[in-house]
Amino acid sequence: DGGITQSPKYLFRKEGQNVTLSCEQNLNHDAMYWYRQDPGQGLRLIYYSQIVNDFQKGDIAEGYSVSREKKESFPLTVTSAQKNPTAFYLCASTPDRGTYNEQFFGPGTRLTVL
Amino acid sequence: AQSVTQLGSHVSVSEGALVLLRCNYSSSVPPYLFWYVQYPNQGLQLLLKYTSAATLVKGINGFEAEFKKSETSFHLTKPSAHMSDAAEYFCAVIPTGGFKTIFGAGTRLFVKA
Repeated sequence: DGGITQSPKYLFRKEGQNVTLSCEQNLNHDAMYWYRQDPGQGLRLIYYSQIVNDFQKGDIAEGYSVSREKKESFPLTVTSAQKNPTAFYLCASTPDRGTYNEQFFGPGTRLTVL
Repeated sequence: AQSVTQLGSHVSVSEGALVLLRCNYSSSVPPYLFWYVQYPNQGLQLLLKYTSAATLVKGINGFEAEFKKSETSFHLTKPSAHMSDAAEYFCAVIPTGGFKTIFGAGTRLFVKA
């Protein structure tokens, strides 16, 4: 089955630590996205990538970093500079960047800072 | 900037009753519109989408939405609620000429037995 996998499902971080969230897709989609979800705030875009080896900041990129070395993979690192990282993180993809496509989502990673 | 407003962060209905979740967008040019559903601790999945082919759009699980340009609305309805419909629902838009999806704040639907 084609889809998006995210790991781990739950992640706990101590203050001052960097952590990396994994996102892998086997849909052969060009574009991938990272969102942060907080209660009552909908989804906010952190970073997106339209093609391998290229990515752009979204609306709330501060304290986060990404890489896109392979088409199927788009990991997100939450750095110690992110002051309030506790949230639900969602990875998504679309077939390409040029049309009005719906987004395909992974199951999410819930990050908690201890 | 384009925005999406969902009226009501929480909606409660009885099983078998009509479901109505409201969504309004801000744009003089009709965008592409979507409704997504999210079950607890899961990702979002597409319910339906409007791409200008028809103003009444049918989706999965018996849901439908009607695009009304004069009201800049795209409300989601289902004639008879089922317990399994309890979830959070997000309205979203892609502005004409853009490609990034803009999500509303979400409406949590509760279904009472």
